[in-house]
Amino acid sequence: DTGVSQNPRHKITKRGQNVTFRCDPISEHNRLYWYRQTLGQGPEFLTYFQNEAQLEKSRLLSDRFSAERPKGSFSTLEIQRTEQGDSAMYLCASSDGQRRGPNTEAFFGQGTRLTVV
Amino acid sequence: AQSVTQLDSQVPVFEEAPVELRCNYSSSVSVYLFWYVQYPNQGLQLLLKYLSGSTLVKGINGFEAEFNKSQTSFHLRKPSVHISDTAEYFCAVSLNFGNEKLTFGTGTRLTIIP
Repeated sequence: DTGVSQNPRHKITKRGQNVTFRCDPISEHNRLYWYRQTLGQGPEFLTYFQNEAQLEKSRLLSDRFSAERPKGSFSTLEIQRTEQGDSAMYLCASSDGQRRGPNTEAFFGQGTRLTVV
Repeated sequence: AQSVTQLDSQVPVFEEAPVELRCNYSSSVSVYLFWYVQYPNQGLQLLLKYLSGSTLVKGINGFEAEFNKSQTSFHLRKPSVHISDTAEYFCAVSLNFGNEKLTFGTGTRLTIIP
């Protein structure tokens, strides 16, 4: 397994357009997270899935944002009617929530850099 | 809610000199602590983590960190840095129950001067 994979790596879009990003987690991981990282800031949590269920959403996730994980495997993050403020790196992470013992580590993908012009 | 403070946004260090990157956290419940490194245009890579036990934690690339509960700190150290250590470093916490959702600090940019 090659780790968490995100596509595309870069996306440039015009303001008002819709964009969709994909995340493929590590195959045996049942937990998946989306984060957003703006320039000069640390990543901020957006949403979390356990299998196909979306269990938590940040208030950062406005109505224009929607995330899905239809079969508990890959996930998509869609942004509708993009705004310049949406320009950021979108990071996906996965973890193995089925392991016994304390939660330990989330593995991150390389991210999708979105530029809204 | 928990929060993480990284007081130094940028730290320049001469090659082969020691370095300490500071991290303080705030939480009303027990947390796990992490340091991640991010190279330009890359995702995050885990350097080390503190879950329990010994307060001195050793990680990859020669880094170590010490958990200090009374000072709510988790500072990252390396005795001798290399050019390849130039990167952004993030301190993060997660609750010690439930999922692995992370709360990050704003990061410290480590620049190694030849």
